Amino acid sequence: AQSVTQLGSHVSVSEGALVLLRCNYSSSVPPYLFWYVQYPNQGLQLLLKYTSAATLVKGINGFEAEFKKSETSFHLTKPSAHMRDAAEYFCATGGAGGTSYGKLTFGQGTILTVHP
Amino acid sequence: EAGVTQFPSHSVIEKGQTVTLRCDPISGHDNLYWYRRVMGKEIKFLLHFVKESKQDESGMPNNRFLAERTGGTYSTLKVQPAELEDSGVYFCASSQARGLAYGYTFGSGTRLTVV
Repeated sequence: AQSVTQLGSHVSVSEGALVLLRCNYSSSVPPYLFWYVQYPNQGLQLLLKYTSAATLVKGINGFEAEFKKSETSFHLTKPSAHMRDAAEYFCATGGAGGTSYGKLTFGQGTILTVHP
Repeated sequence: EAGVTQFPSHSVIEKGQTVTLRCDPISGHDNLYWYRRVMGKEIKFLLHFVKESKQDESGMPNNRFLAERTGGTYSTLKVQPAELEDSGVYFCASSQARGLAYGYTFGSGTRLTVV
């Protein structure tokens, strides 16, 4: 069964500082991996996705994530945090086939706070 | 292109009552998914429609939940009777093609509170 672990339910950074949100996955087959963001009072928005192409994936709003198979990780980074990045971030994985076809498994979410 | 629309955005009902949530997917999207996030927990899959057929309903918690997608367009999720533990945010998503490589688009969710 697939699973996702996000390390840290809350992360706090200063504006302009590096953002690092950690995600580790467990999958028996090469996974698809996603990062979603939920801004206050809004729905889930796709930030970026890994689908077995380039291991470094660039997303919207300056975010990127690197797929590291040896570490089973897909950490999300942004070089310089902005106040508007304050939101909850979700890492998710899904299989390419089988009974989990089309189904996403989410991590617990990480709330990012950005201080002035 | 209009996004995935869910309504109501909020619903407060008493334990034992019935509530129906609605999701309008992006036009032309055959795949429709329901997810739920209970307070403090992760977002969990409920079920997946392909057109009007239930492809996977392995995540439906119990028989108090009934999902339909008549005609393969909008979908409804009915909870009857509602229990306190049903409180949470219910998300709908849709995609044109099967498979996660294509990604899918989420709606803003319905926040259900059972008191």
